[in-house]
Amino acid sequence: NAGVTQTPKFRILKIGQSMTLQCTQDMNHNYMYWYRQDPGMGLKLIYYSVGAGITDKGEVPNGYNVSRSTTEDFPLRLELAAPSQTSVYFCASTEGGGPSFNEQFFGPGTRLTVL
Amino acid sequence: ILNVEQSPQSLHVQEGDSTNFTCSFPSSNFYALHWYRWETAKSPEALFVMTLNGDEKKKGRISATLNTKEGYSYLYIKGSQPEDSATYLCASTGYSTLTFGKGTMLLVSP
Repeated sequence: NAGVTQTPKFRILKIGQSMTLQCTQDMNHNYMYWYRQDPGMGLKLIYYSVGAGITDKGEVPNGYNVSRSTTEDFPLRLELAAPSQTSVYFCASTEGGGPSFNEQFFGPGTRLTVL
Repeated sequence: ILNVEQSPQSLHVQEGDSTNFTCSFPSSNFYALHWYRWETAKSPEALFVMTLNGDEKKKGRISATLNTKEGYSYLYIKGSQPEDSATYLCASTGYSTLTFGKGTMLLVSP
């Protein structure tokens, strides 16, 4: 199993550009999450999904969108990039039953810089 | 949004020292408490998922305890080694999501 994979690893965007961060997991997990990690701030939840076709906002959803058309994929879309979105983005997944019982598996992260 | 606090923010110990960190979380509507180990330039990896008051879990030299009534968990590392250097995150769960603390950064010098 590859686990949770993310692409790209690094990206530089100009203000106002858009991009999609890809996340795929091959563990058949229902729960998937997007976090951003800013220095000194820990991991903040952007969006999450409890299954295909179901998504919900986390703590910091503004400026982002997600979709979940399949169990495996959970892409994160930035429509109009802003410098405040410069961060490291982590995708994670958890198996059925959710985080009340099961650990989260994290992808390797995407480092995004908006200039 | 849950409020999860970790202390200390950072810690520098010598090889062979034993150390411990604290995670505080709201005791009401408790579901589970997670501990993760996060090495620089890597992604977080789970250490423990704890659900029961009084629970104690161990993995090698690392152990954790849980007090859900007063809302805290301790992580202990016995005989720290340089390879233990990492940020240790705790997270308290709601039904579907985790709220992470800011972590404790541990540096173990040889």
